[in-house]
Amino acid sequence: KAGVTQTPRYLIKTRGQQVTLSCSPISGHRSVSWYQQTPGQGLQFLFEYFSETQRNKGNFPGRFSGRQFSNSRSEMNVSTLELGDSALYLCASSSWDRGNGYTFGSGTRLTVV
Amino acid sequence: KDQVFQPSTVASSEGAVVEIFCNHSVSNAYNFFWYLHFPGCAPRLLVKGSKPSQQGRYNMTYERFSSSLLILQVREADAAVYYCVIFCRDNYGQNFVFGPGTRLSVLP
Repeated sequence: KAGVTQTPRYLIKTRGQQVTLSCSPISGHRSVSWYQQTPGQGLQFLFEYFSETQRNKGNFPGRFSGRQFSNSRSEMNVSTLELGDSALYLCASSSWDRGNGYTFGSGTRLTVV
Repeated sequence: KDQVFQPSTVASSEGAVVEIFCNHSVSNAYNFFWYLHFPGCAPRLLVKGSKPSQQGRYNMTYERFSSSLLILQVREADAAVYYCVIFCRDNYGQNFVFGPGTRLSVLP
């Protein structure tokens, strides 16, 4: 059973650009969540999608957005990139009842220069 | 406000039993999850439940508003960040609330 797949693994962008990150959840998982981890910080919750609907949202500016497709794949977009957006972005998926917790992907390392 | 509390750092000597404590103020909490995170890798679920549990060297204690992760015979390779996560049910359905993480350092 394939795990959570995030692409790309590494990305370098310049300030002001926008970026789209992709996450393919485990087959059958309908809940996808996104987290940001900056150096020295814990996991900061961005948002969660379930059945193509945003169910929860963390405390991030509107430059951060996401969506989920009918096949449960999710994308996260960051517009007008800032240096402080450099981070590891983790995606996690879970089954509909989430009783077994999340399975995380290995993340996308975004560097903004 | 639903919050999860963990110490920011814990230090231990190799071979010892290390305890990482977590408590929370989450209403309608259902159970605890403990995750291990090495930088650059996918966080990995270690142990979970609403009662004391054990998975290999990892033990989890359980009280309604607190839990401890105990790592037996800790090794230098266990140095990582450990997250306590609460699974709860609220008016909007189900939710996970993450703690801030505890960075474990292991001295040889």
